[in-house]
Amino acid sequence: ILNVEQSPQSLHVQEGDSTNFTCSFPSSNFYALHWYRWETAKSPEALFVMTLNGDEKKKGRISATLNTKEGYSYLYIKGSQPEDSATYLCALYNQGGKLIFGQGTELSVKP
Amino acid sequence: EAGVAQSPRYKIIEKRQSVAFWCNPISGHATLYWYQQILGQGPKLLIQFQNNGVVDDSQLPKDRFSAERLKGVDSTLKIQPAKLEDSAVYLCASSIVGQSTDTQYFGPGTRLTVL
Repeated sequence: ILNVEQSPQSLHVQEGDSTNFTCSFPSSNFYALHWYRWETAKSPEALFVMTLNGDEKKKGRISATLNTKEGYSYLYIKGSQPEDSATYLCALYNQGGKLIFGQGTELSVKP
Repeated sequence: EAGVAQSPRYKIIEKRQSVAFWCNPISGHATLYWYQQILGQGPKLLIQFQNNGVVDDSQLPKDRFSAERLKGVDSTLKIQPAKLEDSAVYLCASSIVGQSTDTQYFGPGTRLTVL
């Protein structure tokens, strides 16, 4: 069974705090890792697609790193804002030819 | 560019009833996906189309679920008859060709409640 695990399941931070979450996955047969942000009542929004070991990507205050040898990716948010409140999903694409999603990390940022 | 459209946004039905969901992908996207997201879990792929052909339906409960994409554009997903455990958000997504690095663009989903 292929498991993609995310931690923590939920996180509550104050506005201005920096935070990070983890996505763990089997490192064999790795093709790509996708990160999505899903706000309540909206469509999941693509953040990053990462393929290379050591990859670092950045979009505004959000960045992500990838370690394919040990099977993990970190997502960082610098200076969290209330509008960052959402569920953050990672998904592994391997030789099975489809995205396998983790259960998500639910972030709540209080003003 | 218009995004992925889905309807309805919400649906409440009794168990054993039938329900259908509609999806219109981004224009020009060859690959269309239907996902089921149960509360507390990540989205799970039900079926993947490449144009109007099925690429993967290994996780589709075929005794009650069916899907079609007749002209390689929009798609419908049907559940007949529904069970309580089918309560979930049904997400449609599309991508250009379905490769590992292709971004999948999601619609807003249909939240189904089966009573």
